[in-house]
Order: sequence, then C-alpha cells, then structure tokens
Amino acid sequence: KAGVTQTPRYLIKTRGQQVTLSCSPISGHRSVSWYQQTPGQGLQFLFEYFSETQRNKGNFPGRFSGRQFSNSRSEMNVSTLELGDSALYLCASSWGGRNREAFFGQGTRLTVV
Amino acid sequence: QQQVKQSPQSLIVQKGGISIINCAYENTAFDYFPWYQQFPGKGPALLIAIRPDVSEKKEGRFTISFNKSAKQFSLHIMDSQPGDSATYFCAASSYRDDKIIFGKGTRLHILP
Repeated sequence: KAGVTQTPRYLIKTRGQQVTLSCSPISGHRSVSWYQQTPGQGLQFLFEYFSETQRNKGNFPGRFSGRQFSNSRSEMNVSTLELGDSALYLCASSWGGRNREAFFGQGTRLTVV
Repeated sequence: QQQVKQSPQSLIVQKGGISIINCAYENTAFDYFPWYQQFPGKGPALLIAIRPDVSEKKEGRFTISFNKSAKQFSLHIMDSQPGDSATYFCAASSYRDDKIIFGKGTRLHILP
C-alpha cells in the first residue's frame, strides 16, 4: 500500500514569489492535514481538509491557503513568500472521523532566499 | 498557547537502558494521544497511540503510560537501542475537531 506522497521534495524560491506544494494521501483516506516544521517552532498545524472542505485552520496568515480535490489529493499554496517561510512542510492523511491515525509524507523542504 | 508540553528537550541514554519522555496537556477535550518518531530527513512516523480509557498500552519495547487525572502521559522505551536515536513527538487530538497538536519534541540519543 503506497504511503503519503509529497512533491516536490525540495524547493528554492525567492522572496515575493509564490509556491504550490502537492500531497497525495493514502488510498481511501479522506482527511489531509498540513503542518509546518521549523527548528524553533516545531510542528505547527496549518489546516485540514476532509471531503474537499476545510474543516480546521491554524494560526497562519492568509498567504497560506490550500484545497482538496475530489480524489482527496491536496495542494497547499503560499503567496508572497517571506524568508521566515523556509521550513519543512508536511502533509498527513487519515481516514477521518473516529479513526484519527495520521500518516505523514516525507515533506517538502522549502527554502526562501 | 502551548497545549501539549513535552520534556525533556533532549535525552541521552545508554544502550539497554530505559528512555522516558513525558508530556502534559491542558485541554480536557483531548481524547487521542499518539506518539511519533522522526528520523532526520523523514516525516514523523506513528509509533503508538492511546485513548484515555486505558492507563497503559504496550507495543514491543514501547509503552505509553497515561494518567487522566493528572493530564499527563509518557513514553517508555525499554532496552533502548542506537537505532532508536531520533526525535520523538507526543501529540493530542480532540473529538471536537480532529486537529493534532504536537509537543515540541525530544531529541533522543542512545549511546552504543
């Protein structure tokens, strides 16, 4: 059974640009969550999608957005990149509902220069 | 507001020893408590999880102890091995929104 797949693995962008990250969840999983991981702040929740609807949102500015498609694949977009957005962005998928076992992808390492 | 507090930040244990990582939470709506293990360059991997209706759960060398009244839970790694060297995260999730809140992590190093 394939795990959670995130693409690309690495990205280097310039301040002011925008970026789109992709996540393919485990087959059958309907919930996709996104996290930002940095050495200083640890794992911080960005948002969660379930059946194409955003159910939860963390405390990040509106520059961070996402969406989920009918096949449960999800994308995350960050506009007007700042140096502080450099981080490992992780996607996790789960069945949703009472089964909350969440499985993470390997992440996308974003570097903003 | 840090809803899940984890300690220690780093831990060094001799091979064969017991590694203990502690977490505390405040939100009484939390009803699912997973632990994750993360190696450098990898995403976190689900290790073991517990719900508050049990006080202990064991899977191989890994045991979670849960104290509902104290709102604390801990991970014990028995017979610690160098391959266990990684960063461990405790986490909690509420039935209200399924959002997983993570502790800051513990960097564990097992001496050979």
